[in-house]
Amino acid sequence: GNSVTQMEGPVTLSEEAFLTINCTYTATGYPSLFWYVQYPGEGLQLLLKATKADDKGSNKGFEATYRKETTSFHLEKGSVQVSDSAVYFCALNDGGGADGLTFGKGTHLIIQP
Amino acid sequence: EPEVTQTPSHQVTQMGQEVILRCVPISNHLYFYWYRQILGQKVEFLVSFYNNEISEKSEIFDDQFSVERPDGSNFTLKIRSTKLEDSAMYFCASSPRRVQETQYFGPGTRLLVL
Repeated sequence: GNSVTQMEGPVTLSEEAFLTINCTYTATGYPSLFWYVQYPGEGLQLLLKATKADDKGSNKGFEATYRKETTSFHLEKGSVQVSDSAVYFCALNDGGGADGLTFGKGTHLIIQP
Repeated sequence: EPEVTQTPSHQVTQMGQEVILRCVPISNHLYFYWYRQILGQKVEFLVSFYNNEISEKSEIFDDQFSVERPDGSNFTLKIRSTKLEDSAMYFCASSPRRVQETQYFGPGTRLLVL
């Protein structure tokens, strides 16, 4: 079956630090990959996505590249801000007919001023 | 920007009671979904709904759960006889189409069963 594995949190960084949140996946088909973000007290918001191998998704300074050879979709940002503090979820849709997204456990990111 | 809305934001109920969670998907979307997140665990898919019927359901979605689109805008999840283990955050989502489409999520309803 499908699965998504994310690095455990919480991840605590200082403002302007470089961020990487690791995500690897197992899927039976040709998945689309997503990063969702959940700010405190809010729902899940799409941050970025990639639908095929070597695609790079980007938004708000965040980037992630779909790496089929390593089955990974790591999230990166060059310089984080306090406002980036949130929970980040990696997810996939396997594209093989399944409707539901498969999520990772989420990584809680804390940015300190 | 259009968004998915959910009501109530919080619900407390006694074990064995019925609850109905409500969602208003984005108006031109065709697929609707329910997910749940038990505290500290993954977000899990429950069910998808298209053209007024269930499209797919997970093994979590047993006979105590049902979904309905009672009118042109609302999408509901009913839990017939709540159990303690139903305590979770329930998210509604919608998408324009299904295959590999972005799903847009609501803010969630936090359900606590006592």
